[in-house]
Amino acid sequence: QKEVEQDPGPLSVPEGAIVSLNCTYSNSAFQYFMWYRQYSRKGPELLMYTYSSGNKEDGRFTAQVDKSSKYISLFIRDSQPSDSATYLCAMRIQGAQKLVFGQGTRLTINP
Amino acid sequence: DAMVIQNPRYQVTQFGKPVTLSCSQTLNHNVMYWYQQKSSQAPKLLFHYYDKDFNNEADTPDNFQSRRPNTSFCFLDIRSPGLGDAAMYLCATSRVPLGGTDTQYFGPGTRLTVL
Repeated sequence: QKEVEQDPGPLSVPEGAIVSLNCTYSNSAFQYFMWYRQYSRKGPELLMYTYSSGNKEDGRFTAQVDKSSKYISLFIRDSQPSDSATYLCAMRIQGAQKLVFGQGTRLTINP
Repeated sequence: DAMVIQNPRYQVTQFGKPVTLSCSQTLNHNVMYWYQQKSSQAPKLLFHYYDKDFNNEADTPDNFQSRRPNTSFCFLDIRSPGLGDAAMYLCATSRVPLGGTDTQYFGPGTRLTVL
């Protein structure tokens, strides 16, 4: 069993839709949770960062962490074609340098 | 802007011919990482440098080596590339210790093709 599970998709939705992306994990020691966006043939860029449980909002993006269920989510409101990318969840434990990544979900927003 | 730079962006090499990929950073971060990412897969950590201390992942093949001559630069050497080494190679940096909202910052990647 992988430490972090993420549905690879592909996920295709119409412009303006609300998108929900999710990851589950098995290691309860994970404390820091990140979402990276990766455009085709580019490096990952940090999109959202959350510590422990709770919600964090940044513009059209909301990150949620539910540590009791070992489940994290990224919501994208009013999705745009420019949001089309692969979204990678990543997490780490306190004091560790190493990030553990999910496989990534490939998202397409159709105009 | 502070950033992570990788050169070249695209590299073609022949089976068995050594190749070196380059990474530089202007973030003045202590830690530099090399990842291998194959199509539709998660980035796989190969190794990282904490200052001059080299940290190899247990499952990284001996074919992969790295050098960090100074804080700003780090190189990935593939001694004898095989067809299975064709991938995107990502360099990342971070501060130490990671705290608060610190995380790893990635370069644009080098796509390696092995003929």
